[in-house]
Amino acid sequence: QQQVKQSPQSLIVQKGGISIINCAYENTAFDYFPWYQQFPGKGPALLIAIRPDVSEKKEGRFTISFNKSAKQFSLHIMDSQPGDSATYFCAASMRSNDMRFGAGTRLTVKP
Amino acid sequence: DVKVTQSSRYLVKRTGEKVFLECVQDMDHENMFWYRQDPGLGLRLIYFSYDVKMKEKGDIPEGYSVSREKKERFSLILESASTNQTSMYLCASSREVANYGYTFGSGTRLTVV
Repeated sequence: QQQVKQSPQSLIVQKGGISIINCAYENTAFDYFPWYQQFPGKGPALLIAIRPDVSEKKEGRFTISFNKSAKQFSLHIMDSQPGDSATYFCAASMRSNDMRFGAGTRLTVKP
Repeated sequence: DVKVTQSSRYLVKRTGEKVFLECVQDMDHENMFWYRQDPGLGLRLIYFSYDVKMKEKGDIPEGYSVSREKKERFSLILESASTNQTSMYLCASSREVANYGYTFGSGTRLTVV
């Protein structure tokens, strides 16, 4: 039973385009929503995170949009670059001790 | 640079062998976790620990056990390896206080033949 559902499974975007990855969760007790970026041969690394008291968080080209009523959140990558090509995981947790991950999205940014 | 270090990048073991995967963190983190990563399934939690000597089952603990004798070290044990345990194993650690991101190791790719 997947507590966090992520889509799409794979995504191809042209350089300079916008990449959008979506996640939905079920447990309303989740109160921390991070996104992780994983390059081949590496472990996932924290990219950006949001708490449910805000609807949007932006860090450089990366933005999380959060819709508490719909229990959905998404990652937007503006001006996507080939160096952004990686696998992205959304996650949700309570108190950092019940982190549940989505299935991952493999992003390819074509030059 | 803070680190989570997994002792092996690649391992090949035979069915029925007892396998130890070691993880060490140098950040004085209270919490440590073991996940397995499989294509299309994301990261699934096997076991976690909030303190020395304690452990909690995650979503898929069957066939695994763990040991945490020291704060910085968290070991995953496959009691009798099976081919369906072929996977990428990721160790992570985090601070005790609520809702801080995890720091992951680079992973151990285990193949059971």
